[in-house]
Amino acid sequence: DAKTTQPPSMDCAEGRAANLPCNHSTISGNEYVYWYRQIHSQGPQYIIHGLKNNETNEMASLIITEDRKSSTLILPHATLRDTAVYYCIVRGLTDSWGKLQFGAGTQVVVTP
Amino acid sequence: DADVTQTPRNRITKTGKRIMLECSQTKGHDRMYWYRQDPGLGLRLIYYSFDVKDINKGEISDGYSVSRQAQAKFSLSLESAIPNQTALYFCATSREGVNQPQHFGDGTRLSIL
Repeated sequence: DAKTTQPPSMDCAEGRAANLPCNHSTISGNEYVYWYRQIHSQGPQYIIHGLKNNETNEMASLIITEDRKSSTLILPHATLRDTAVYYCIVRGLTDSWGKLQFGAGTQVVVTP
Repeated sequence: DADVTQTPRNRITKTGKRIMLECSQTKGHDRMYWYRQDPGLGLRLIYYSFDVKDINKGEISDGYSVSRQAQAKFSLSLESAIPNQTALYFCATSREGVNQPQHFGDGTRLSIL
């Protein structure tokens, strides 16, 4: 069963912020939200993860709603190299042995 | 991720051949994983290893075997390749501990004729 729901695709203008939504209404208290992306013909790339607080790193920011039922990945200044499929994954402590459940993701196209 | 290196990057072979895919990492991570990716099916876990003496089956281990030769090396073998093992194969690594992110190599594209 899918734990997350993402839009299949979205476009973003180069230089603008890209806001990628993800719904995870059945998330439980000990489950983290992870974001990965996959650029064509490359391996998945880890972006960021969080439990309930907002997180920021050099690549992106992760905003998690207070009820934790949804989150938004923000790429602050999208570039053409950010064109990729972005995956939102819910991962619990019982999944720590390795399982990452990749869904269909969101195909993001950054245009000049 | 240049810290996780997979060889070969591409391989075409025939049904029945034995094939080995290799993965090496310079990240110093204890945990290593093998996944395969098929169109429309996402990534599926084949095997994983938490240290040199540890090997565990994932979701789809039938037809595959692995060897963890050292902390930095984890190889995947197809004993007798069949066409439905044609896929993109990824190796990943992570630190020990709960909820550590996995870091992937750039994959091996394997075609079995």
